[in-house]
Amino acid sequence: GQQVMQIPQYQHVQEGEDFTTYCNSSTTLSNIQWYKQRPGGHPVFLIQLVKSGEVKKQKRLTFQFGEAKKNSSLHITATQTTDVGTYFCAGRGYRGSQGNLIFGKGTKLSVKP
Amino acid sequence: NAGVTQTPKFQVLKTGQSMTLQCAQDMNHEYMSWYRQDPGMGLRLIHYSVGAGITDQGEVPNGYNVSRSTTEDFPLRLLSAAPSQTSVYFCASSKFPGTRATDTQYFGPGTRLTVL
Repeated sequence: GQQVMQIPQYQHVQEGEDFTTYCNSSTTLSNIQWYKQRPGGHPVFLIQLVKSGEVKKQKRLTFQFGEAKKNSSLHITATQTTDVGTYFCAGRGYRGSQGNLIFGKGTKLSVKP
Repeated sequence: NAGVTQTPKFQVLKTGQSMTLQCAQDMNHEYMSWYRQDPGMGLRLIHYSVGAGITDQGEVPNGYNVSRSTTEDFPLRLLSAAPSQTSVYFCASSKFPGTRATDTQYFGPGTRLTVL
């Protein structure tokens, strides 16, 4: 079945360093979404990418969707302690069970002040 | 708007007991789903519904039942609880699954379930 792989599983950075998490799907996606989950909280939607090669920015966060619509990345510039949490990508296929939203296992980010 | 609400927040069950996790949304969303979250496993889809009266299985449906009699409510039933069902359960809703509109999933606060 459809799988979404996300790396790395953990990332520890010094405040001010950059951070990147990568997501790769076994099948072509109709869209990919990114979520952030703070410790003890629930996932919160960050963004959705739909078009091949799409790049979107939210302040220090940059999201990319690959040309083949099978991979994506989230890059955070100059991390802050408020960025702490687990970042999940979630890919949606095109039809049937492939149309379900499949989550990656997440990248847990810790930021040392 | 309350968004997506879940009850209870915490629950402890004994093996073999049954219970229902409640989920409700007040955003008039058609699409609702249940996920379980285990350490290192991300979020796995249990069941989902694309509208009242329509449900389907996700990735890990065994041991769980759902029904959708109204747009607002989507309860998850554990038929005979097992320790392997110890997890955090999240309910989510969205307006449109698909590419033509923002497919934002709104998650509830979660139910932390322990089965002894």
